[in-house]
Amino acid sequence: DQQVKQNSPSLSVQEGRISILNCDYTNSMFDYFLWYKKYPAEGPTFLISISSIKDKNEDGRFTVFLNKSAKHLSLHIVPSQPGDSAVYFCAARHSGTYKYIFGTGTRLKVLA
Amino acid sequence: EADIYQTPRYLVIGTGKKITLECSQTMGHDKMYWYQQDPGMELHLIHYSYGVNSTEKGDLSSESTVSRIRTEHFPLTLESARPSHTSQYLCASSRGSTNEKLFFGSGTQLSVL
Repeated sequence: DQQVKQNSPSLSVQEGRISILNCDYTNSMFDYFLWYKKYPAEGPTFLISISSIKDKNEDGRFTVFLNKSAKHLSLHIVPSQPGDSAVYFCAARHSGTYKYIFGTGTRLKVLA
Repeated sequence: EADIYQTPRYLVIGTGKKITLECSQTMGHDKMYWYQQDPGMELHLIHYSYGVNSTEKGDLSSESTVSRIRTEHFPLTLESARPSHTSQYLCASSRGSTNEKLFFGSGTQLSVL
């Protein structure tokens, strides 16, 4: 059973507009959430994270929102740039462990 | 930023060969991980280690084995490679403190013919 779900396999957005990537989780014991960006044949690179005690975290063009009651988080990229085109993974860490569970990823394409 | 290294980057081998994928980190991290990823799929945790001489199997069953004799080194071995082992293998590490992110290596793309 998949505990972290990214239901949109792909997303296309015009340059300069907002990109919104979504992630749902099922385990209420997750206490830390992360977003990673990945290019083919490379390792994921960290983008932004949020603790379960917060509902928003911002870093430059990237903002992550957490809705614990809905078990949902989202990544907003504003403004989107062609260089943002990649696969984005959300991940969650189980409280009391150091195990990180990843979603299936969303391929973002930013059109120039 | 990330000082975690994986070799080789690409490997093409024949069925039945024994292979070892190398992973080293210079950050002194206690926690190290191996993930396996196929295109369009999630990263599956196959092994992890919380410190020297500590190794555990992850959530995805794997025929590979790992060892952790030194803090900085976490190699993964396949005794007899098969085409079903074709995948990208990603090594990661973390300090293991509260709200600590994972640092990933560049990955090894393995193809077994």
